[in-house]
Amino acid sequence: AAGVIQSPRHLIKEKRETATLKCYPIPRHDTVYWYQQGPGQDPQFLISFYEKMQSDKGSIPDRFSAQQFSDYHSELNMSSLELGDSALYFCANSGPHTGELFFGEGSRLTVL
Amino acid sequence: AQSVTQLGSHVSVSEGALVLLRCNYSSSVPPYLFWYVQYPNQGLQLLLKYTSAATLVKGINGFEAEFKKSETSFHLTKPSAHMSDAAEYFCAVRSNFGNEKLTFGTGTRLTIIP
Repeated sequence: AAGVIQSPRHLIKEKRETATLKCYPIPRHDTVYWYQQGPGQDPQFLISFYEKMQSDKGSIPDRFSAQQFSDYHSELNMSSLELGDSALYFCANSGPHTGELFFGEGSRLTVL
Repeated sequence: AQSVTQLGSHVSVSEGALVLLRCNYSSSVPPYLFWYVQYPNQGLQLLLKYTSAATLVKGINGFEAEFKKSETSFHLTKPSAHMSDAAEYFCAVRSNFGNEKLTFGTGTRLTIIP
């Protein structure tokens, strides 16, 4: 069965650069969530989208933005990168009548 | 709002011994509850979930958890620990309607002693 696909899996950037992470959800699962997991931390909710509209917002810095496109894939854009942005970024997906969230493998961002 | 509290950031058990990882939840509405496992440098793998059906839930790798509303608990157990169980375990909660986000506990690192 198709799962949540995230790209890239690994990304290395310099401070003050920009990064874009992509998430391709399970077909017909229309809600996308982004999480950030710092080293040794639990995953923290950043933002979510339902039917291409932002549905909830968590602890997402103003330097970050995200959107969900017409094909339901989502992108997380991070600008003016800081060392503290180094983390594992997860995209998760839920659909109608599903209690659980399906997670991608994550994108590991390293900021040097 | 929903939240979970995991008691014990580190738990060590001997190989073959009982594994018990504690999770208590707080929720203003009936919750969905989950346990995820994360191996080093890997993603989140769903172990099991409670979605208001049976209160005793069986998951993968021999793990199970029991939803106890009176105690607001959802502790994770495994009768006999295996070396391969060493990992980080996260309890998580979500409300049972809408497109609510999943809220994670702070995690418990399980170490297995040979």
